Amino acid sequence: QVQLVQSGAEVKKPGASVKVSCKVSGYTVTEVSMHWVRQAPGKGLEWMGGFDPEDTEAIYEQKFQGRVTMTEDTSTDTAYMELSSLRSEDTAVYYCAIGRYNFDYWGQGTLVTVSA
Amino acid sequence: EIVLTQSPGTLSLSPGERATLSCRASQSVSSSYLAWYQQKPGQAPRLLIYGASSRATGIPDRFSGSGSGTDFTLTISRLEPEDFAVYYCQQYGSSRVGFGQGTKVEIK
Repeated sequence: QVQLVQSGAEVKKPGASVKVSCKVSGYTVTEVSMHWVRQAPGKGLEWMGGFDPEDTEAIYEQKFQGRVTMTEDTSTDTAYMELSSLRSEDTAVYYCAIGRYNFDYWGQGTLVTVSA
Repeated sequence: EIVLTQSPGTLSLSPGERATLSCRASQSVSSSYLAWYQQKPGQAPRLLIYGASSRATGIPDRFSGSGSGTDFTLTISRLEPEDFAVYYCQQYGSSRVGFGQGTKVEIK
């Protein structure tokens, strides 16, 4: 049974960083292609980046380049997404999702609120 | 960058009716890399269709996908009460992923 369990909600001030975790069970983290997708309140889905199926390095959507870092801890089968220099527009639910070219499994989502 | 445009923005239908949702790409997308998702309020998206026309595990056969090139369609043959939700198309290409803006299927 594949499960992705994410860390809990976060409240951050503008300019701070947030690190969201995603624990994988049913696979090892190296067996899957892990991606991160966010959804602002009342808005659509936005891909942030992920590990390309053909590569071992993360690929980031251009708008997040320089602010986002995606890593994996193989000892705990946990993936991480860190977003820095937070602004109010980063308030969203952040999802981890796995799949080669589409996303078969999703985490439950982590609400990140950026507020002064 | 491939842009996906979904239409209509909102579809108002009654249970039992047929729903036809469109996803148009700004340039050709490989059918292997076109997927559809359903999302209900407060829930993560759920994969419905991958490879443009293959149903994901456990998806009822009233959901079907079709299309190629730049024009793709998700059809729900007879709407059940649990099908009222937002639907997104998604493409993968050149190591990038993109989503359409979504179509909301609401009860008329």
